[in-house]
Amino acid sequence: EDKVVQSPLSLVVHEGDTVTLNCSYEVTNFRSLLWYKQEKKAPTFLFMLTSSGIEKKSGRLSSILDKKELFSILNITATQTGDSAIYLCAGDTTSGTYKYIFGTGTRLKVLA
Amino acid sequence: NAGVTQTPKFQVLKTGQSMTLQCAQDMNHNSMYWYRQDPGMGLRLIYYSASEGTTDKGEVPNGYNVSRLNKREFSLRLESAAPSQTSVYFCASRAGNSPLHFGNGTRLTVT
Repeated sequence: EDKVVQSPLSLVVHEGDTVTLNCSYEVTNFRSLLWYKQEKKAPTFLFMLTSSGIEKKSGRLSSILDKKELFSILNITATQTGDSAIYLCAGDTTSGTYKYIFGTGTRLKVLA
Repeated sequence: NAGVTQTPKFQVLKTGQSMTLQCAQDMNHNSMYWYRQDPGMGLRLIYYSASEGTTDKGEVPNGYNVSRLNKREFSLRLESAAPSQTSVYFCASRAGNSPLHFGNGTRLTVT
């Protein structure tokens, strides 16, 4: 059965800290790994990763995929209170069903 | 530039009542999805529509029906609401292999 597992489930840090969020996956016919940020409402897209070892970066956020070990990490440097959110990881497949497999998310709280 | 629009934002139902959650997207996406989100369970797929005219069951379809009215609109119907259907419901859409775009959600409480 396909699954995506995220760790830790929750995390509390102080502003300025660096955090690493983990996502491991077992997805049949894997196509890509996606990261989303969810604050109060809709999840918003952060990164899509399809190739191993190539870091994607956006400001203080970066992410990388390891297709051999089947995991991805999301790094946030110099955290700010605005980074407080649930971070969701999802696997996409080539199976033709167009469905994502979501992890349960990591809840990050950044204290001032 | 609305993206994915869901209505209503909030709803309270009594057990046994019915309702329809509406979703519309203006991005000309082929595929549309309904998810529910519960604490500790992540996002679980209820139904999806890979293209206009087709619908398929997801992970948790029991108690729900859907209609892909046209390319823009995908509605979710609860025929006889149960307390277990208390949740936050998200509609999403995508074009091809692009990332999902989500609506802002409907918070449903069934008493």
